[in-house]
Amino acid sequence: DIQMTQSPSSVSASVGDRVTITCRASQGISNWLAWYQQKPGKAPKLLIYAASNLQSGVPSRFSGSGSGTDFTLTISSLQPEDFATYYCQQANSFPRTFGQGTKVEIK
Amino acid sequence: EVQLLESGGGLVQPGGSLRLSCAASGFTFSSYAMSWVRQAPGKGLEWVSTVSGSGVSTYYADSVKGRFIISRDNSKNTLSLQMNSLRAEDTAIFYCAKDRSSASVFWGQGILVTVSS
Repeated sequence: DIQMTQSPSSVSASVGDRVTITCRASQGISNWLAWYQQKPGKAPKLLIYAASNLQSGVPSRFSGSGSGTDFTLTISSLQPEDFATYYCQQANSFPRTFGQGTKVEIK
Repeated sequence: EVQLLESGGGLVQPGGSLRLSCAASGFTFSSYAMSWVRQAPGKGLEWVSTVSGSGVSTYYADSVKGRFIISRDNSKNTLSLQMNSLRAEDTAIFYCAKDRSSASVFWGQGILVTVSS
């Protein structure tokens, strides 16, 4: 199975900050990577698919990059509504696996 | 408007069975793979199972293989998850999700399954 490792596990940031979250796959997954945002008590929401494609309706301050084993999610200017937990998921092969999550907290 | 509504959750004893359903609307159900993803209390997301649009192909996490069965009824726009031999570690919120481009593009609100004596 492909293991997904996110870093950091948590980050404290202020409104307006640039935040970068990293996801590393245990083996190459081409660009088969998605990023999700989850707020407490809510279902996850797709932000990015195929590593760098912005899901419809998602603000352009979110961006994704990477290929192979190393991927990043960047929030260019953190907004109050962005405080949440973020997960990566590989879709290269089954079983699909998620990273452990990165909690973005208010500094 | 896409809607996914899970039902069938609740409290079940260890070793028992439960069947989850997900009623879909607002899209051509048979054209999309569908998945179940779960989240244990206070934990991260765990992919559980995926079924192709036709229902022919199914995939499972090792943790549920041989105990859970995913299926779909395209005539009724319904996704199901039959869960047998339930364990305490299966306690979680279960989400159904619509897949596209190998990502889960839309999620239901989730349903709680509690396995406890």
